[in-house]
Amino acid sequence: QITLKESGPTLVKPTQTLTLTCTFSGFSLSTSGVGVGWIRQPPGKALEWLALIYWDDDKRYSPSLKSRLTTTKDTSKNQVVLTMTNVDPVDTATYYCAHRIHPRTYFDHWGQGTLVTVSS
Amino acid sequence: QSALTQPASVSGSPGLSITISCTGTSSDVGGYNYVSWYQHFPGKAPQLMIYDVSNRPSGVSNRFSGSKSGNTASLTISGLQAEDEADYYCSSYTSSSTLWVFGGGTKLTVL
Repeated sequence: QITLKESGPTLVKPTQTLTLTCTFSGFSLSTSGVGVGWIRQPPGKALEWLALIYWDDDKRYSPSLKSRLTTTKDTSKNQVVLTMTNVDPVDTATYYCAHRIHPRTYFDHWGQGTLVTVSS
Repeated sequence: QSALTQPASVSGSPGLSITISCTGTSSDVGGYNYVSWYQHFPGKAPQLMIYDVSNRPSGVSNRFSGSKSGNTASLTISGLQAEDEADYYCSSYTSSSTLWVFGGGTKLTVL
């Protein structure tokens, strides 16, 4: 059974760096084809894809946020980390991590999300 | 790439059918058969209901079906049940550097 869970701060100040962790079970990020993505949803707005990291450490980022995002993996801990620099109140959102198997075109398992508020 | 367009809400009576639309462009929905749909109960993990326009993952009820015409994809839920009341999101995989675009979500109310 695949599960994912996001964790991190609930409140971050503007200009700070946000670090979120996705802890998963039921699969290994060292298995060929496996990827973990990050998606967020600001209140009342659409979901937005942010980043994706693959088993081979290939990484993809949303072009609009690429300069501020970094994603890394710790295969031994079954964790993926997303770092977002210089946060702004517009980054207030629920952040989700999700499992994908390349070349499938969808995320087949998601975490329940974690709400991050950016405010001074 | 802009988000996909979904109606904010739809409603239907138990036993009847509803359809949720998802409109994109020829660069996403219209260009590829890569539309997926997710069911989301607030506070829970979104669940994949349909992938690649019309395919159901194992375990998803056959009351859920998907289709596409041009730049608009649709999710149809037949034989509505109270347990179907949730938010539904569409998504399209794209070949651009923005790998996925999503809709704003549709709240389904079962009357």
